[in-house]
Amino acid sequence: ETGVTQTPRHLVMGMTNKKSLKCEQHLGHNAMYWYKQSAKKPLELMFVYNFKEQTENNSVPSRFSPECPNSSHLFLHLHTLQPEDSALYLCASSLRSQSGGDTQYFGPGTRLTVL
Amino acid sequence: AQSVTQPDIHITVSEGASLELRCNYSYGATPYLFWYVQSPGQGLQLLLKYFSGDTLVQGIKGFEAEFKRSQSSFNLRKPSVHWSDAAEYFCAALVYNYSNFGNEKLTFGTGTRLTIIP
Repeated sequence: ETGVTQTPRHLVMGMTNKKSLKCEQHLGHNAMYWYKQSAKKPLELMFVYNFKEQTENNSVPSRFSPECPNSSHLFLHLHTLQPEDSALYLCASSLRSQSGGDTQYFGPGTRLTVL
Repeated sequence: AQSVTQPDIHITVSEGASLELRCNYSYGATPYLFWYVQSPGQGLQLLLKYFSGDTLVQGIKGFEAEFKRSQSSFNLRKPSVHWSDAAEYFCAALVYNYSNFGNEKLTFGTGTRLTIIP
C-alpha cells in the first residue's frame, strides 16, 4: 500500500537515545493513527489525530510523543524507551466524514528494537 | 464490552483447498466490519469491508466475506487458496457514533495465522 509510507522501516536504539518515526499519507485523508503491534497481542491504538487535533491518547507513556504538523504527516518521537517497547509501529490514515464508514489504510510499519 | 473474536489462532490448509476464517463481534449495534491481511514484516492490507447492503462482500485476491447478523459473524472465505495467501488475517470492527463523531475506534481481533502446505 503505497498510499501510506513510513520511515525508517527498521530502527535499533538504545534506551537513552532519542529518535523519531515518520509517517506520510498521500490519500487526501484527514485522520491519522499510530498503532503498536507486539507479538501475540492485539493491535493497540496509541494516538489518533482528526484534522490535525489529537483526539485520543490511549494511556500511552510520555516517552512516546506524537506530532501532527499537517493532515499528511505524522511523527512519533521516542525517548528513553524500554526494551518492552520493541514492536512493530504502524501508521494508518482515513477520511472521516459525518456520514461515517471511514476505512483505515495502513503503512508498512517501522520495526523498532530497543536494546 | 465491545469486542472482536477470532477463535482460530492458526489454520493450516493445503494449496487449492477452500478456506474459511471465523470472526465474531460483540457490539450493541451493527458495526462496520473489515478484514485485513498482513504478510510477515509488513503493514495491514485491506481485503474487504462491510458497511451495509448486500451481506456477501467481495474483496481483493479472490476473497469474500458474509455478514450474518443472527450469528454476529463476518467470516472470510476463499474457494481455492494459493501459497501466496499464507499470512496473518485480522478481522476488525468499528461502530460509528453520530453523537460522538471523531471518537470511533477500530477494534481488532487477535488474528489468525494461515499456513499453506503444498
